[in-house]
Amino acid sequence: SQKIEQNSEALNIQEGKTATLTCNYTNYSPAYLQWYRQDPGRGPVFLLLIRENEKEKRKERLKVTFDTTLKQSLFHITASQPADSATYLCALEPTDSWGKFQFGAGTQVVVTP
Amino acid sequence: EAQVTQNPRYLITVTGKKLTVTCSQNMNHEYMSWYRQDPGLGLRQIYYSMNVEVTDKGDVPEGYKVSRKEKRNFPLILESPSPNQTSLYFCASSLEGSGRLGEQFFGPGTRLTVL
Repeated sequence: SQKIEQNSEALNIQEGKTATLTCNYTNYSPAYLQWYRQDPGRGPVFLLLIRENEKEKRKERLKVTFDTTLKQSLFHITASQPADSATYLCALEPTDSWGKFQFGAGTQVVVTP
Repeated sequence: EAQVTQNPRYLITVTGKKLTVTCSQNMNHEYMSWYRQDPGLGLRQIYYSMNVEVTDKGDVPEGYKVSRKEKRNFPLILESPSPNQTSLYFCASSLEGSGRLGEQFFGPGTRLTVL
């Protein structure tokens, strides 16, 4: 069956360092992979999208990579700040089911000053 | 302000009492979707709608109904709620029914408790 896995353990990181999150998937051929940020009690907020034929995407301090051979995406927050503390979700949309999204369970990031 | 609204935000009900959670977007989006979020399980898609009058099942559609009669509204109906439907529900919309155009905009969530 299709599976998306994100590290369930919280990532504790010091301000200024780079946080790296992983999103692994199996039995899946995603066309697009998205990353979202979610704060407690609130709806997810879109951050970045990467297509299956793209290797890397950047937006300000955020960087996403997509390796369809390894079936993995890495999400980096550089120069992390306490305001980056949140849960980060990856979401995949398969090539054969437009509109049908699957989300990972998310990884919590805690940035300490 | 561009937004997705959900009502009610909080609801406590009893088993078997039909309820509707409304979702409305003011961005003229074609695509709308419902998710439920449970601890440790992440967001799971219930139903989605590529455009008006077109709906399809997500991963966990059992016990839910939807309808899309107008572009802006996508209500979620629980005909006979059960305690295992206690969850946090999110509605989302997107310009088109594909991630290629980027983001889904999420509503603020509806916390439902079924006793």
